[in-house]
Amino acid sequence: AQSVTQLDSQVPVFEEAPVELRCNYSSSVSVYLFWYVQYTNQGLQLLLKYLSGSTLVKGINGFEAEFNKSQTSFHLRKPSVHISDTAEYFCAVSDRGSARQLTFGSGTQLTVLP
Amino acid sequence: GAGVSQTPSNKVTEKGKYVELRCDPISGHTALYWYRQSLGQGPEFLIYFQGTGAADDSGLPNDRFFAVRPEGSVSTLKIQRTERGDSAVYLCASSPQKRGSTGELFFGEGSRLTVL
Repeated sequence: AQSVTQLDSQVPVFEEAPVELRCNYSSSVSVYLFWYVQYTNQGLQLLLKYLSGSTLVKGINGFEAEFNKSQTSFHLRKPSVHISDTAEYFCAVSDRGSARQLTFGSGTQLTVLP
Repeated sequence: GAGVSQTPSNKVTEKGKYVELRCDPISGHTALYWYRQSLGQGPEFLIYFQGTGAADDSGLPNDRFFAVRPEGSVSTLKIQRTERGDSAVYLCASSPQKRGSTGELFFGEGSRLTVL
C-alpha cells in the first residue's frame, strides 16, 4: 500500500514569486508519481508525471518537479507564479506493479496574491 | 465526447434515499474509476472497471455502495439508504490504457452529493 503526505494545506504567495509545494510518499514497492491541479469548479487535470528516467520532470504552465528516491519526495516548483496558478494541487502515487489506482495526498491550496 | 462527463453535477437528497450518479468516459477508454472527495481531502479510490467488470472494488466503504458498467462504457454509481456522511464530490475518471498501466487518469468535473 502507498500513502502520500502533502505537508502544507495552504500556501499563499505573491505574484511573480517562486513557490514549492511539498510532497512525500511512502511505499514498499516502486512507484509512479503525479501532480494534478484542480481549479475552482473544475475536474482534476494532470500537471506532470514521473515514470522513469530523468528525475527532473517538466510539466504544463511552467511547473516542474524533482523525484528524490532517497528522501521519498516529489516536490513541485515554479520559479514565478501568476494569479491564474491559484488552485488546489494534489500529489499522487501509483504502484508500478499493478498501477491500477492512484493514491492521492490531501492537497495544497495555492493562493497567488497580487 | 471530448471529456469525461458526469451527471448530475449537483444532487441534494434526504437521508435514507437512493441515489444514482452517472459517468460517461472518454470514447475508447477501457478503464474507468470512481473516486470520492470529501471537503478538505484528496480523492479517495472507490472502484475500478476494466471493460465491463469491476477489477478492484476494495475502496467501496460498505455494501450500500455499488457500481455497474454493463456495456463497458457508461458507468453508474449507486448509493442505497444514503447517510449524511456520504456527502462528498464523487469523481469519475477514465484511462485509455488497458491495464491503467501508469495511472494517468482523465477526470470529470464531479457530482456533488449533499445528504440532508
